[in-house]
Amino acid sequence: SQQGEEDPQALSIQEGENATMNCSYKTSINNLQWYRQNSGRGLVHLILIRSNEREKHSGRLRVTLDTSKKSSSLLITASRAADTASYFCATPGSARQLTFGSGTQLTVLP
Amino acid sequence: ETGVTQTPRHLVMGMTNKKSLKCEQHLGHNAMYWYKQSAKKPLELMFVYNFKEQTENNSVPSRFSPECPNSSHLFLHLHTLQPEDSALYLCASSQDVNLRGGVEQFFGPGTRLTVL
Repeated sequence: SQQGEEDPQALSIQEGENATMNCSYKTSINNLQWYRQNSGRGLVHLILIRSNEREKHSGRLRVTLDTSKKSSSLLITASRAADTASYFCATPGSARQLTFGSGTQLTVLP
Repeated sequence: ETGVTQTPRHLVMGMTNKKSLKCEQHLGHNAMYWYKQSAKKPLELMFVYNFKEQTENNSVPSRFSPECPNSSHLFLHLHTLQPEDSALYLCASSQDVNLRGGVEQFFGPGTRLTVL
């Protein structure tokens, strides 16, 4: 089944720095989503980017999508300790399913 | 309450017990989902319901039994579980199941299940 895979698996940065996470997927998609999960909690939707979009912004988040390379990136600018969480990309599988990657664990040190 | 709620938040049960997880969404959505999240593994979709009808069952063992009495409520009945079933069980909802068109899923906080 189609699956996004995030890279790196873990990332540790200082507060104020930028954090970049990548997602690669296997087959053609018409949209890709990014979610965030605080430890032991549910996932929260961050942003959706469609296949005809190259870049999308939401606050301190910037998402890019390169369909030719089958990859997406999530950039968090001016990171804060509160950004510490796991970040997942999700791609459509069958008509009723989203397939999630294993996630990137981001730690922002104060 | 708003969004998606789940009860209980934590559950410890023996292998011979029978328990149920409850999920309720207050968003007026038509689709609801159960996911299992184990340590170091990707999120696993278990069941999908659309307008109260089960549309997906991802080869889940019969010791997990879902129930969807209406579009707002979803249950997961548990019986004779194994220790490897210990995980975070997440409920989610979405406006519909047309995920190819790009539909956001809203997640509950999860139930942390420990099977002894």
